Amino acid sequence: DQQVKQNSPSLSVQEGRISILNCDYTNSMFDYFLWYKKYPAEGPTFLISISSIKDKNEDGRFTVFLNKSAKHLSLHIVPSQPGDSAVYFCAALTNAGKSTFGDGTTLTVKP
Amino acid sequence: ETGVTQTPRHLVMGMTNKKSLKCEQHLGHNAMYWYKQSAKKPLELMFVYNFKEQTENNSVPSRFSPECPNSSHLFLHLHTLQPEDSALYLCASSPDRGQGTGELFFGEGSRLTVL
Repeated sequence: DQQVKQNSPSLSVQEGRISILNCDYTNSMFDYFLWYKKYPAEGPTFLISISSIKDKNEDGRFTVFLNKSAKHLSLHIVPSQPGDSAVYFCAALTNAGKSTFGDGTTLTVKP
Repeated sequence: ETGVTQTPRHLVMGMTNKKSLKCEQHLGHNAMYWYKQSAKKPLELMFVYNFKEQTENNSVPSRFSPECPNSSHLFLHLHTLQPEDSALYLCASSPDRGQGTGELFFGEGSRLTVL
């Protein structure tokens, strides 16, 4: 049973528009959520995170929203840039520090 | 120096070979991890070491054998692997398992192909 799901394997967006990447989870014990970004031939790098006590966290062009009742989080990138083209992984953490990752969504930002 | 360094970046081995993957972190972290990334699958946690002690083995077959001689180095010894073990193996570190924000710092990965 996959506890963290990213149902869209890919997303294509025009430069300058908003990119919205979604993630759903099933385990109510998750209390911290992170987004990682991965370029080809590189390891994932941390992008932004949110604690379960918050519903929004913003860092520049990146905003993560958390809806605990729906067990859903989303990453908004605005405005999207071609350099944002990468695979985005959502990860959820229990208070024991165990990370569970989603499958990833490949974002393509077209110039 | 990058934070987490993995060698080799690419490895091709036969099913009867013995090889090792190496990971080194220069971040002063105390927790190190091995993850497996297969095509179209989520990252799968394999092993966790915290302060050099193995704290988690996620039902990994014994043909994968981890070793953590100190907090900066982590090895994955490979023996009699199967073709389905071909994947990207990612090493990661964090300040301490279960503390802080849980952010992981990943290496670039070792792409393993088993023939």
